Amino acid sequence: DTAVSQTPKYLVTQMGNDKSIKCEQNLGHDTMYWYKQDSKKFLKIMFSYNNKELIINETVPNRFSPKSPDKAHLNLHINSLELGDSAVYFCASSQVQGIGELFFGEGSRLTVL
Amino acid sequence: TQLLEQSPQFLSIQEGENLTVYCNSSSVFSSLQWYRQEPGEGPVLLVTVVTGGEVKKLKRLTFQFGDARKDSSLHITAAQPGDTGLYLCAGPQGGKLIFGQGTELSVKP
Repeated sequence: DTAVSQTPKYLVTQMGNDKSIKCEQNLGHDTMYWYKQDSKKFLKIMFSYNNKELIINETVPNRFSPKSPDKAHLNLHINSLELGDSAVYFCASSQVQGIGELFFGEGSRLTVL
Repeated sequence: TQLLEQSPQFLSIQEGENLTVYCNSSSVFSSLQWYRQEPGEGPVLLVTVVTGGEVKKLKRLTFQFGDARKDSSLHITAAQPGDTGLYLCAGPQGGKLIFGQGTELSVKP
C-alpha cells in the first residue's frame, strides 16, 4: 500500500494547455505539500496545506491552483502551461506542519513542449 | 541565496572508497534532516539530527550535526554501488522544510 501516491507519473503537453496532478496519502497526516524539483534537482516548496487549509504559498504564479477536498488529498491544477513549468512535481505529507519527516510521492514529471 | 549549501554537487567514486558530503548554512537550525533520492522516486528520510555535536550512525553512513547547529556532514565508509543517488539535506525554516541543492553520488563497481 503506497503511503503517498500521485498521478499521473508522466505528463507531456503543449504550451498553453491546462493540466492537473492528483495526490492522496493514507498516513493520516494533517499536512500536505507540493514541491517542485527543477532540472538541477533543486527541491523547492510551492504550497502547504494543513487540514484542508492553505498555510504556505511560496510566491507561486496564480496559474497554479492547489485544491484540498479533504486532508488526505491535495491536487494541483496548472493553467496556461509555460515551458518553464517543466519539472518534477512532488506531493508530500507530514505529521506536523513544517517539521518532522516528509513522506514523498514518486513524483510527476511534467514536460511542456 | 541558498540557505543550505551542499558540497560537492557531484561526486563520482569507485566502490570501496570513503566520502563526505557537507551541508552548511549561516543560519542556526533546530534540526537537520538527510534524505536520499533514487532516480524516478521521491526522497526518503535517512536520519534527523537534533542536538549540536550529535553523531548518528546508519550502517556505513555517519551523520554529524555541528556544535553550533549551522552545519552537518554525511560520511559514507566503503561506498557501494547501491549508495548511488541524490543526497539532500533539509532543515525547518519559517514553518516549512527547505532543502539544499543536493549532492549527486555515483559509485562505480
